[in-house]
Amino acid sequence: AQKITQTQPGMFVQEKEAVTLDCTYDTSDPSYGLFWYKQPSSGEMIFLIYQGSYDQQNATEGRYSLNFQKARKSANLVISASQLGDSAMYFCAFLSGGYQKVTFGTGTKLQVIP
Amino acid sequence: NAGVTQTPKFRILKIGQSMTLQCTQDMNHNYMYWYRQDPGMGLKLIYYSVGAGITDKGEVPNGYNVSRSTTEDFPLRLELAAPSQTSVYFCASSPQGGAYEQYFGPGTRLTVT
Repeated sequence: AQKITQTQPGMFVQEKEAVTLDCTYDTSDPSYGLFWYKQPSSGEMIFLIYQGSYDQQNATEGRYSLNFQKARKSANLVISASQLGDSAMYFCAFLSGGYQKVTFGTGTKLQVIP
Repeated sequence: NAGVTQTPKFRILKIGQSMTLQCTQDMNHNYMYWYRQDPGMGLKLIYYSVGAGITDKGEVPNGYNVSRSTTEDFPLRLELAAPSQTSVYFCASSPQGGAYEQYFGPGTRLTVT
């Protein structure tokens, strides 16, 4: 069974600084994907970024980028120029090789300090 | 488009009662999912569906049932509610599986006492 791990329960970052949220996974599938979602205190789930195992380049979406290291089985989220509105829970999620099921990590709570 | 809607937003059940959580999407998505999120935890997949008439179990299906008679609707049935089912329930949909983002509903907060 696939396993996904987020080892940082909580993180602090100064406004305008960059921050890296860690995510590691364990799989023997050659084909898979990694998602990152944001959950503000209001509770909704917001899609941020996706990386496929065969993608040649690391995914980027605005201030979000994914540092994908396939050999290390890590898919860390990098947020550049943090804003107060970035304070939220961040979930890494693993997409299985069958491309049908997504397994979520336990999340990292990010707090941006003015 | 309303996206993914869930009703009710909040519900308190007594132990042993049953209820149905409603989920509707208006994006003509084939894939639909039900997750539960316990306090301080990530989401766990309960059931999913890849199209009308097709459902399959996720990670934590015990105590729940689903049906998918139309593309739009994917209700989740709780039979004989237990305190362990106290959670926030999210419904989600995506156009296909794979590298498509899932669109989430606002969630239903359920308390079983």
